[in-house]
Amino acid sequence: DVVMTQSPLSLPVTLGQPASISCRSSQSLVYSDGNTHLNWFQQRPGQSPRRLIYKVSKRDSGVPDRFSGSGSGTEFTLKISRVEAEDVGIYYCMQGSHWPPAFGPGTKVDIK
Amino acid sequence: EVQLVESGGGLVQPGGSLRLSCAASGFTFSGFWMSWVRQAPGKGLEWLANIKQDGSEKYHLYSLKGRFTISRDNAKNLLYLQMNSLRAEDTAVYYCVRNSGVVAGDYWGQGTLVTVSS
Repeated sequence: DVVMTQSPLSLPVTLGQPASISCRSSQSLVYSDGNTHLNWFQQRPGQSPRRLIYKVSKRDSGVPDRFSGSGSGTEFTLKISRVEAEDVGIYYCMQGSHWPPAFGPGTKVDIK
Repeated sequence: EVQLVESGGGLVQPGGSLRLSCAASGFTFSGFWMSWVRQAPGKGLEWLANIKQDGSEKYHLYSLKGRFTISRDNAKNLLYLQMNSLRAEDTAVYYCVRNSGVVAGDYWGQGTLVTVSS
């Protein structure tokens, strides 16, 4: 099975400052269709997860453009250009290229 | 508006069974792969099972060892998860998830809590 890792696991940030989360997979996430099925999810306190980014860098509808995804192969990054209070929560990367789909352990983002 | 509403959770004794349901609305249910994902209290996310649009293909997490079965009723816009031989470690919030591909996770329900305890 593919194992997903994230760093850091805890990320205190200052409002208005950038934040970056790394995600690594134990094997390449390039699928046979040529796509890389790496998604990012946000889970605010007490809420269900919400997808932010799919296929590495495609932003979901309604997601602020301060969120961006990048990477390839086995290494990926989620960036928040300027953190706002509503961004507090846990961020998960997830691979959907290999069965079973797997999530990273999550990165908890909070305000300093 | 896409809506996924789970139901059927509750308290069950170890060894017992439950069937979770997910009522889908706001989209053409029969056009999407659907999934169940769970989250144990204070823990991360675990993808459990997928089912194809017409129900002809189903994939389950191997570690479930046949205890859980995903199914769907496209005529009623319902997704199910039959859970048997429940264990304490199955205690979690169970989410119904829509997929715009095979595995996409583009929409999630609010979840239903299953507690396995004597």
